[in-house]
Amino acid sequence: GIQVEQSPPDLILQEGANSTLRCNFSDSVNNLQWFHQNPWGQLINLFYIPSGTKQNGRLSATTVATERYSLLYISSSQTTDSGVYFCAVVDNYGQNFVFGPGTRLSVLP
Amino acid sequence: KAGVTQTPRYLIKTRGQQVTLSCSPISGHRSVSWYQQTPGQGLQFLFEYFSETQRNKGNFPGRFSGRQFSNSRSEMNVSTLELGDSALYLCASRLQGVRGNEQFFGPGTRLTVL
Repeated sequence: GIQVEQSPPDLILQEGANSTLRCNFSDSVNNLQWFHQNPWGQLINLFYIPSGTKQNGRLSATTVATERYSLLYISSSQTTDSGVYFCAVVDNYGQNFVFGPGTRLSVLP
Repeated sequence: KAGVTQTPRYLIKTRGQQVTLSCSPISGHRSVSWYQQTPGQGLQFLFEYFSETQRNKGNFPGRFSGRQFSNSRSEMNVSTLELGDSALYLCASRLQGVRGNEQFFGPGTRLTVL
């Protein structure tokens, strides 16, 4: 099945800094989502982005499907951005999401 | 529109018992998927239901089962609980169940097996 990698596994930033999180996948996908898991465990939808670029406030994402990667950009980070960020994909043969291992982000005041 | 809801939010059981978790999807969503999250294995797909039929199943033992009702609400059952079943169980819904739709998650049920 499709493999999903995320980097870096851990990231510590000072408030106000910018960051880039990466998601690599091993096969073609027709669905890709980025999620933020809050401290209570809920997965919050950030982007539905099987291809192209989207922006939402301080967050933006780009998926280059032909090169099998996606990037999540966080600008001017805030302490509330802390948590785990997951990339999840559905390949062209399956119907369920395969999640990456996540990037744990800590934003220090 | 109300989001995906899951009940109960927290549950404590002992080994050998069984448990039933419930998930109500977003109104109009016909696909419900279940995931297990543990520190060691990460987020893993359990199964997906669409129009009361199981469409897809992950690599879990038969102790894990589910069903979906005509109103799209879904239940997940785990029988003969083991310590390793302690996890956060997440339910997600999407509009039609086809591969291209965005998936929305509920708050999860945290199960502790003693």
